[in-house]
Amino acid sequence: QQQVKQSPQSLIVQKGGISIINCAYENTAFDYFPWYQQFPGKGPALLIAIRPDVSEKKEGRFTISFNKSAKQFSLHIMDSQPGDSATYFCAAWGNTGKLIFGQGTTLQVKP
Amino acid sequence: DTEVTQTPKHLVMGMTNKKSLKCEQHMGHRAMYWYKQKAKKPPELMFVYSYEKLSINESVPSRFSPECPNSSLLNLHLHALQPEDSALYLCASSRFGTQGRGETQYFGPGTRLLVL
Repeated sequence: QQQVKQSPQSLIVQKGGISIINCAYENTAFDYFPWYQQFPGKGPALLIAIRPDVSEKKEGRFTISFNKSAKQFSLHIMDSQPGDSATYFCAAWGNTGKLIFGQGTTLQVKP
Repeated sequence: DTEVTQTPKHLVMGMTNKKSLKCEQHMGHRAMYWYKQKAKKPPELMFVYSYEKLSINESVPSRFSPECPNSSLLNLHLHALQPEDSALYLCASSRFGTQGRGETQYFGPGTRLLVL
């Protein structure tokens, strides 16, 4: 119930394409869903976050789509660039005081 | 400013050494976290301090000892570590304590630890 399932594990996209990463959860007590971007050897950096009362949030080329009834949320990266190549983690915050992470997606954007 | 700083950046230690990792934030955040991250895996929560009190210990071995001297500082004392403890150790902070609505955790750059 405390798990967040993330897919795909790895993703290769051409420059200019759309990258899509999906996450699913079970616990309806989760009330905050951030996405983190992590480059090798660095700490995770917050990319964008959403609460379940909103179905979509956009910041620049990054969009979160949230489907509360299906308990799914996804990250869309429009016009993907080689500099977006990184590992992406979805996460969910529940009533345990812990941030539950998905397993991560390694994105490679080919020039 | 959403910066969390960690020192040292890299640390190599033997199994009999004692060392400490340091984390600092000046954002007035009242919750601070230690995570351990292995390559290609998500961060694993180790400890949480909420309002300078230890609120979560994820059954971490006693060779890891956290300390929160004040609301801006978080230390992780290391003693008699094993080679499998080699990992990236991340510190994070969030504005409020761990109760209530979820909010952003800001991560530091991490300390890369190698235990020989």
